[in-house]
Amino acid sequence: DTAVSQTPKYLVTQMGNDKSIKCEQNLGHDTMYWYKQDSKKFLKIMFSYNNKELIINETVPNRFSPKSPDKAHLNLHINSLELGDSAVYFCASSQGRASGGRTDTQYFGPGTRLTVL
Amino acid sequence: QKEVEQDPGPLSVPEGAIVSLNCTYSNSAFQYFMWYRQYSRKGPELLMYTYSSGNKEDGRFTAQVDKSSKYISLFIRDSQPSDSATYLCAPQDSSYKLIFGSGTRLLVRP
Repeated sequence: DTAVSQTPKYLVTQMGNDKSIKCEQNLGHDTMYWYKQDSKKFLKIMFSYNNKELIINETVPNRFSPKSPDKAHLNLHINSLELGDSAVYFCASSQGRASGGRTDTQYFGPGTRLTVL
Repeated sequence: QKEVEQDPGPLSVPEGAIVSLNCTYSNSAFQYFMWYRQYSRKGPELLMYTYSSGNKEDGRFTAQVDKSSKYISLFIRDSQPSDSATYLCAPQDSSYKLIFGSGTRLLVRP
């Protein structure tokens, strides 16, 4: 059973297009995240949702819009794609603050490799 | 200056060697320190974490934090070719946000 899954695994598209990446988790977690990993392997958080509510919104161009239809799904829509958007995008999930713990383990999906031509 | 600095490597060692992977960080408020392992073309997976200063051991892996010098280490004993991966240190801030280093690529030669 895949805990955190993403589709598609690979996405190749032209500059200026609009595309979406989907993420689903079957862990019963309350919190989900989107990360971007650039070519130098630097992994940076973009957004976080807790129970469908946006709680972290880093400095990301507003061409990126996350949408959470329910707490098991967090999709990422990207408008007007640019060359610099080429990267691997990872979805992650965790129990979140409701776990009552002082730390919060995040579980990552397999990634979506986006190439903008 | 990045909040978390990590030597990107690659670090190449023979099988059986003791490996030392290190990070430095700037935010003294960090309390939890995670180590993630990422195999090529896969997502990161949590290896272990420590709270505040001190050591934590899990099998062949030992994580160590020295908050006074803001220094994080991961030691791997008896390294195996299957340990070849990128290792990412990631302190967690008070809002549960992970701040990742750039990762150190490790290659264990048979």
